[in-house]
Amino acid sequence: NAGVTQTPKFQVLKTGQSMTLQCAQDMNHEYMSWYRQDPGMGLRLIHYSVGAGITDQGEVPNGYNVSRSTTEDFPLRLLSAAPSQTSVYFCASSYEVGNTEAFFGQGTRLTVV
Amino acid sequence: DQQVKQNSPSLSVQEGRISILNCDYTNSMFDYFLWYKKYPAEGPTFLISISSIKDKNEDGRFTVFLNKSAKHLSLHIVPSQPGDSAVYFCAATDNTNAGKSTFGDGTTLTVKP
Repeated sequence: NAGVTQTPKFQVLKTGQSMTLQCAQDMNHEYMSWYRQDPGMGLRLIHYSVGAGITDQGEVPNGYNVSRSTTEDFPLRLLSAAPSQTSVYFCASSYEVGNTEAFFGQGTRLTVV
Repeated sequence: DQQVKQNSPSLSVQEGRISILNCDYTNSMFDYFLWYKKYPAEGPTFLISISSIKDKNEDGRFTVFLNKSAKHLSLHIVPSQPGDSAVYFCAATDNTNAGKSTFGDGTTLTVKP
C-alpha cells in the first residue's frame, strides 16, 4: 500500500499563477483533508471532505478550491497564487470522521515568488 | 484565538530519562485527542490517542494523560531514545463539528545520547 501520495513534492510559482496539488490515497478512506503548515506553527485546516461529492471549508479556505469526484482523489487548486500561500501543504485521510487517526502524505513545499 | 496550545516550543532530555510534552485546550467540545510525531521533510505520523471518557492511555513507551477539568493533556515518553527526536503535535477533535481536528504549534523534542 502506498498510503497517501502527494505530488509534486516541491513547486515554485509566480504570483498570479494557478496550479493543482494532487493527493491520492489507496486505503478506501472516506475522510480526506488538506492542511497548510507555516514555520513555527501547527497544521491549519484548509478544506475537507467526508466522502465523494462532499466538501467543506476549514479554517483557512480563502484562495483554494477542492473537489472530490472519487474516494481516492482530493486535489487542491490554487486559483491565483500569492506570496502568502508560500507554505508546506499536507493531505491527510482517515477511515471515518471523528475518533480515528489521520494518515498524512509527505507534503508539498510551495514557494510563491 | 488558539484553541490548542503547546506552550513549550522545545524540550531537551537525556537518553533514558522521561520526556513530558504538554498541551492545553480551551474548547470544551473537544472529545478526542491525538499526538502526532513529525520528522523533517516527512508528513506527521500518528503516535497515540485518548478519548475524553478516559484519563490515561498507554502504548509501550508512550502514555497520554488527560485532565478534563484542567483542559490539559500530556504525553510521557519513558525511556526516551535519540530516535524520538522530532516535532510532536497535539491535536483535538470535535465530533460535533464534522470531526475536524485542531492542531497545536508543536514541540521540538531533542533526546541527547
